[in-house]
Amino acid sequence: GENVEQHPSTLSVQEGDSAVIKCTYSDSASNYFPWYKQELGKGPQLIIDIRSNVGEKKDQRIAVTLNKTAKHFSLHITETQPEDSAVYFCAASTGANSKLTFGKGITLSVRP
Amino acid sequence: GAGVSQSPSNKVTEKGKDVELRCDPISGHTALYWYRQSLGQGLEFLIYFQGNSAPDKSGLPSDRFSAERTGGSVSTLTIQRTQQEDSAVYLCASSWGQGRSYGYTFGSGTRLTVV
Repeated sequence: GENVEQHPSTLSVQEGDSAVIKCTYSDSASNYFPWYKQELGKGPQLIIDIRSNVGEKKDQRIAVTLNKTAKHFSLHITETQPEDSAVYFCAASTGANSKLTFGKGITLSVRP
Repeated sequence: GAGVSQSPSNKVTEKGKDVELRCDPISGHTALYWYRQSLGQGLEFLIYFQGNSAPDKSGLPSDRFSAERTGGSVSTLTIQRTQQEDSAVYLCASSWGQGRSYGYTFGSGTRLTVV
């Protein structure tokens, strides 16, 4: 089955700097790659996703890039703010009728 | 409803007791998922419903765990004879399913503590 790995487990950046979080996946059939943000005491919230037919997608300060050949995808957050501090999960699936396989998450801390 | 609703938000139970966790998905979402999140860990898949049927229940850890979904809406996850290792946050998510957006909407979870 699919295996999604996320490294490192923690990341600390200065407010205003950029943050990049990387994930790798194992199943070449995976074609959908979402990113979730989880704040303390809440469920994960979808922040951006990408499908395998595109290489990059942007939404204001966040972007996701996908390299299908290398089987890795990354989340880019620019101009980080303290409210970006949270746990971020990447995930992968092979389509609408299959489950998402999640990475273990990365704790992002944005220092004021 | 506007979001995925889970109840109870917190549950403390004694080892050996049975518990039921409820999930009320977004109206119209045909797909429903249960995940488990242990402290400091990622999200572990338990079971997936499409309508009332469960095409993938491969993540259920043992036969003490079962789930059902009725009317293509509310789902209940039941854990029998709870053990301390069952302590975790149980998350439910729903999505439109096939042909629509794949993105999940998660509930806030039920924090289960087995003492």
